Amino acid sequence: DAGVIQSPRHEVTEMGQEVTLRCKPISGHDYLFWYRQTMMRGLELLIYFNNNVPIDDSGMPEDRFSAKMPNASFSTLKIQPSEPRDSAVYFCASSTTGAGYGYTFGSGTRLTVV
Amino acid sequence: QKEVEQNSGPLSVPEGAIASLNCTYSDRGSQSFFWYRQYSGKSPELIMSIYSNGDKEDGRFTAQLNKASQYVSLLIRDSQPSDSATYLCAVIKPGGYQKVTFGTGTKLQVIP
Repeated sequence: DAGVIQSPRHEVTEMGQEVTLRCKPISGHDYLFWYRQTMMRGLELLIYFNNNVPIDDSGMPEDRFSAKMPNASFSTLKIQPSEPRDSAVYFCASSTTGAGYGYTFGSGTRLTVV
Repeated sequence: QKEVEQNSGPLSVPEGAIASLNCTYSDRGSQSFFWYRQYSGKSPELIMSIYSNGDKEDGRFTAQLNKASQYVSLLIRDSQPSDSATYLCAVIKPGGYQKVTFGTGTKLQVIP
């Protein structure tokens, strides 16, 4: 299995631009999570999906952030417009239903907004 | 009070020693507990999970859980320089389904 695949690995964009991050979960995993990691706040859950349906988006910081999962093998996290404070590493992770199975994380997207 | 609390470190131990990493959590009903290892610039990697009170051993790693004290620990025996990383404690809270809450991590440095 190729694991959780994220793209791009690095993204540098100017303030105000739209940014789209992409994720392909592990085949057969029915949960998908988007996390953001910064030095100050650690790993923060933004949103998660179960069977392509958003379950909890309470961590999405503002309306500028949106996430979709149109099918079981693809999800996007979009920031529009981007701001310098959005600079962070964004991780996608997937897992499967069961007694608290742990996540498998993707390699992350390092976003820098200048 | 933070939901999952860890000492940020760094925790420095000599090569070959036992490293002890600790974590407390606030929600008494939590059922599932995890330890992730994160090397600098890399993504977190699951190394241990534990669900019931007591010890769980996997190679050089032992996870310990005490639900009464709301305390989780990770012991690394015969520490190696390659164990130098940040260790994240993670918890699934009651009703959290698969939603994992992470601590901010403890940085471990193993000195050759």
